[in-house]
Amino acid sequence: SQTIHQWPATLVQPVGSPLSLECTVEGTSNPNLYWYRQAAGRGLQLLFYSVGIGQISSEVPQNLSASRPQDRQFILSSKKLLLSDSGFYLCAWSRATLGLAGAYEQYFGPGTRLTVT
Amino acid sequence: AQSVTQLGSHVSVSEGALVLLRCNYSSSVPPYLFWYVQYPNQGLQLLLKYTTGATLVKGINGFEAEFKKSETSFHLTKPSAHMSDAAEYFCAVTDQGYGNKLVFGAGTILRVKS
Repeated sequence: SQTIHQWPATLVQPVGSPLSLECTVEGTSNPNLYWYRQAAGRGLQLLFYSVGIGQISSEVPQNLSASRPQDRQFILSSKKLLLSDSGFYLCAWSRATLGLAGAYEQYFGPGTRLTVT
Repeated sequence: AQSVTQLGSHVSVSEGALVLLRCNYSSSVPPYLFWYVQYPNQGLQLLLKYTTGATLVKGINGFEAEFKKSETSFHLTKPSAHMSDAAEYFCAVTDQGYGNKLVFGAGTILRVKS
């Protein structure tokens, strides 16, 4: 069966510090990978998605970046955190689709609670 | 572009009462629809999905949803609420672009009163 891990579970960082959140998936190959943010009372915002190693698409211009150095590893980074980067960060995966959208659900990790002080 | 509207950011029901969470979608092509549940400080868990075929979809924990094309709706129901159903629920539709992205509604927080 497939498993998705995220760490750390919680993080408190000062403004201006760097950030690195990691997500790994087990039990599947060549998944689509996604990073979302949930800010208080603002629902789910898709930040980045990836359909393969080194292939990153950004949904929203912001202070964050993403990388996919290995097939089942997805990293969210920032060089200098802002107060507005606080939130609950969720990683998700889905089966790969060929071309346009498929009918595949996304599976979510447990999330990382980031507080920028 | 696809979109999802969840009517009611908060819904309160008594234990044992019917749960009805509303979701309307907008899609230019036949949609794929999903309901997820999120408990506090946890990730989202898939409740059920509609792709093609039977319009009444049964999911986990006694939930079901009915796809109504004429009403562009995909409402989530459960005949009898349990205290453990208290959570936030999200409706989503597949974005018709590249990458199997999902477009989520704003979410509905379900409160169950004893």
